[in-house]
Amino acid sequence: EAQVTQNPRYLITVTGKKLTVTCSQNMNHEYMSWYRQDPGLGLRQIYYSMNVEVTDKGDVPEGYKVSRKEKRNFPLILESPSPNQTSLYFCASRPQGFLSGANVLTFGAGSRLTVL
Amino acid sequence: GQQLNQSPQSMFIQEGEDVSMNCTSSSIFNTWLWYKQDPGEGPVLLIALYKAGELTSNGRLTAQFGITRKDSFLNISASIPSDVGIYFCAGQPQHGGATNKLIFGTGTLLAVQP
Repeated sequence: EAQVTQNPRYLITVTGKKLTVTCSQNMNHEYMSWYRQDPGLGLRQIYYSMNVEVTDKGDVPEGYKVSRKEKRNFPLILESPSPNQTSLYFCASRPQGFLSGANVLTFGAGSRLTVL
Repeated sequence: GQQLNQSPQSMFIQEGEDVSMNCTSSSIFNTWLWYKQDPGEGPVLLIALYKAGELTSNGRLTAQFGITRKDSFLNISASIPSDVGIYFCAGQPQHGGATNKLIFGTGTLLAVQP
């Protein structure tokens, strides 16, 4: 089954304790992206990657890092989490290109993070 | 970052009623997408629109790509309890650059009373 898999689905941590949220896709997609979802703000892009070793900041990158060493994996790293990073996080992927359908994102099931 | 104006923010309706929601932008879009997010899950694509004026249906759902290319509408007919969730519009700006970045609306929360 074509899917984007995120782990963990739920995590409670404390301020300053480094954590990583993993994301893996099995569709051979070039493009991967991380979003956070907060009430009333919709989905805001944190970082994206257009291919292996190519990453760039989205709209709200502060406090986050990413890496893209392999095509299928795109982990989100919080080096020193703070309470304002409490949120619901989504990883998504799609093929890269300009053909119809190339911009349709497939989302993971989400990771709910609470930072105390 | 840029966001789309999506309305209404929330709707509380009775089972069987029809639902309408829309997204508007100040700039021209090449693509409009409608996603649904079930409670505890990630957004799932409902309908994709690629041409101005295009009207596409998916079961009880119908979406339209506005002829001005600055808006899109989603209608749900004869709502049922499983329609509950958050509906997001997403669009690709005409001048979105090489990244094909999608811009998301803020979502419409739909609650359906049996």
